[in-house]
Amino acid sequence: QSALTQPPSASGSPGQSVTISCTGTSSDVGGYNYVSWYQQHPGKAPKLMIYEVSSRPSGVPDRFSGSKSDNTASLTVSGLQAEDEADYYCSSYAGSNNWIFGGGTKLTVL
Amino acid sequence: EVQLVESGGGLVQPGGSLRLSCAASGFTFSSYWMHWVRQAPGKGLVWVSRITSDGSATSYADSVKGRFTISRDNAGNTLYLQMNSLRAEDTAIYYCATGNSHAFEIWGQGTMVTVSP
Repeated sequence: QSALTQPPSASGSPGQSVTISCTGTSSDVGGYNYVSWYQQHPGKAPKLMIYEVSSRPSGVPDRFSGSKSDNTASLTVSGLQAEDEADYYCSSYAGSNNWIFGGGTKLTVL
Repeated sequence: EVQLVESGGGLVQPGGSLRLSCAASGFTFSSYWMHWVRQAPGKGLVWVSRITSDGSATSYADSVKGRFTISRDNAGNTLYLQMNSLRAEDTAIYYCATGNSHAFEIWGQGTMVTVSP
């Protein structure tokens, strides 16, 4: 099963908003409301930012939001801050007790 | 404090074996599905394996099926990954993570596995 498709890079200035896309198929992203997003700073473990497409775990700022349309999910970071600069990965349940990740997007805060 | 701590990584020759451990603390380990996720140097995250909370069911990525075995000891709050017939392409940081609503909620710091002659 191929990885979900994410743009390799994204960027924005402090205070701006940026949206990262995550495209799959009807067998994963489009088939389940189980898309999640992870933030990973260099040398650190990933951190869950969004689950079930648009839910935020406790402690995650509401500047982070998620959505989905058909086979494409999106993560929007509003009011960009310097500490948001990191790699972001999407993931989806893919059925039959399998999970799949996207290739990752490097977010640069200009 | 909720914590997962991996151990057991290291350098192993192609064809060799390694057993990873993941010690859990600060939460009810026996209530959670658990996963292993790996990340090759400079590359993205890849799901490897999952085990249900009671250990009764497991699943694996095609790339490791038949070579890796996930297991758990709920009495000892520990997750394991037995890796056999290791290949160069298995070289990665291996993370354990709790599963909740099909997301990976709590992550360990990872343990590095290097497969090289």
